[in-house]
Amino acid sequence: NAGVTQTPKFRVLKTGQSMTLLCAQDMNHEYMYWYRQDPGMGLRLIHYSVGEGTTAKGEVPDGYNVSRLKKQNFLLGLESAAPSQTSVYFCASSPGQGPYEQYFGPGTRLTVT
Amino acid sequence: QQQVKQSPQSLIVQKGGIPIINCAYENTAFDYFPWYQQFPGKGPALLIAIRPDVSEKKEGRFTISFNKSAKQFSLHIMDSQPGDSATYFCAASMKTGANNLFFGTGTRLTVIP
Repeated sequence: NAGVTQTPKFRVLKTGQSMTLLCAQDMNHEYMYWYRQDPGMGLRLIHYSVGEGTTAKGEVPDGYNVSRLKKQNFLLGLESAAPSQTSVYFCASSPGQGPYEQYFGPGTRLTVT
Repeated sequence: QQQVKQSPQSLIVQKGGIPIINCAYENTAFDYFPWYQQFPGKGPALLIAIRPDVSEKKEGRFTISFNKSAKQFSLHIMDSQPGDSATYFCAASMKTGANNLFFGTGTRLTVIP
């Protein structure tokens, strides 16, 4: 099992550009999450999904959109990137209503210039 | 507003020492308190977790102490080793909802040989 994978690992964007981060999990988990990690801030939840076709806002959703068209994939989109979105982005998944461990991917380092 | 407050920000101990990391929360709806360990360039991984119906939980060299009345919990690492050098995050989640985790700001631990 690969667990949780994220694509790409690194990306540099110019202000105003758009991009999509892809998260995939092979554990048949129901719930998936997107976090951002910034120095001194810990991890903050951007959006999450409790099942295929569902999405919901987390703590810091502004400037991001998500989609979960397939159970195993969770996409995070930035429509018009801003320097404030420079961060490390982590995807995670968990089996369902728990509490259950969340399994994290290796992260995507995004720089917006 | 940080829902889970964590201290210290960084910690340096000698091999064999017992580093202690502290966390505090206000929301009494939290009922699950995990600790995650993160190595550089990797995603966080669950280390140990506790529910509020117990005051202590041990797994190997790692112990969580939980004080429900004070709304505080802490991580103790016995006989610390250089391989324990990592960033540690406390977190909390609620019984209802999608297991969303609220993370502390992290503690960077360095264990000197």
